Amino acid sequence: AQTVTQSQPEMSVQEAETVTLSCTYDTSESDYYLFWYKQPPSRQMILVIRQEAYKQQNATENRFSVNFQKAAKSFSLKISDSQLGDAAMYFCAYRINAGNMLTFGGGTRLMVKP
Amino acid sequence: KAGVTQTPRYLIKTRGQQVTLSCSPISGHRSVSWYQQTPGQGLQFLFEYFSETQRNKGNFPGRFSGRQFSNSRSEMNVSTLELGDSALYLCASSLGGAKETQYFGPGTRLLVL
Repeated sequence: AQTVTQSQPEMSVQEAETVTLSCTYDTSESDYYLFWYKQPPSRQMILVIRQEAYKQQNATENRFSVNFQKAAKSFSLKISDSQLGDAAMYFCAYRINAGNMLTFGGGTRLMVKP
Repeated sequence: KAGVTQTPRYLIKTRGQQVTLSCSPISGHRSVSWYQQTPGQGLQFLFEYFSETQRNKGNFPGRFSGRQFSNSRSEMNVSTLELGDSALYLCASSLGGAKETQYFGPGTRLLVL
């Protein structure tokens, strides 16, 4: 069974600084997708960024980028120039290349200090 | 396009009752997935429906069931409610292909007393 682990239950960052959230996963599949979702206090899950395992290039979306290390099964999220609105729970998720079943990590609560 | 909508947003039930939750996907999306979120177990996959057929199923008891209609709207039903069923129930929709991203609704918060 696939598992996703987020080892940091809580992180804090100063506004305008950079923070990195960690995620590791375990799978025997070679073709899969990885995601970071943000869940603010409203509880609405918002897609932050996605990465296809077959792509070597790390995905970026504005201030958000990932460091995807396939051999190490690691998928960290870097948030640059942190803003107060970035404060939320962040979930790392995995999905094989079939169907739509997401396996989530336990989440990391990010606090942003003004 | 309108996003994924879920109704009702909040629900209070008592043990032994049953409940039906509804999810309307983004227009054009044919896949609807359901997830349960609790403080203890985190986010867990319940099931996925695609073109009115259950395509994937998570590890939940038979009290949890679902269906999808021809307009892609989906319902999930929980019978004989238990206290442990108190949770945020999220649905997500996508076009259904392997490369497609899922977009989540705001969730239904269920409290079982």
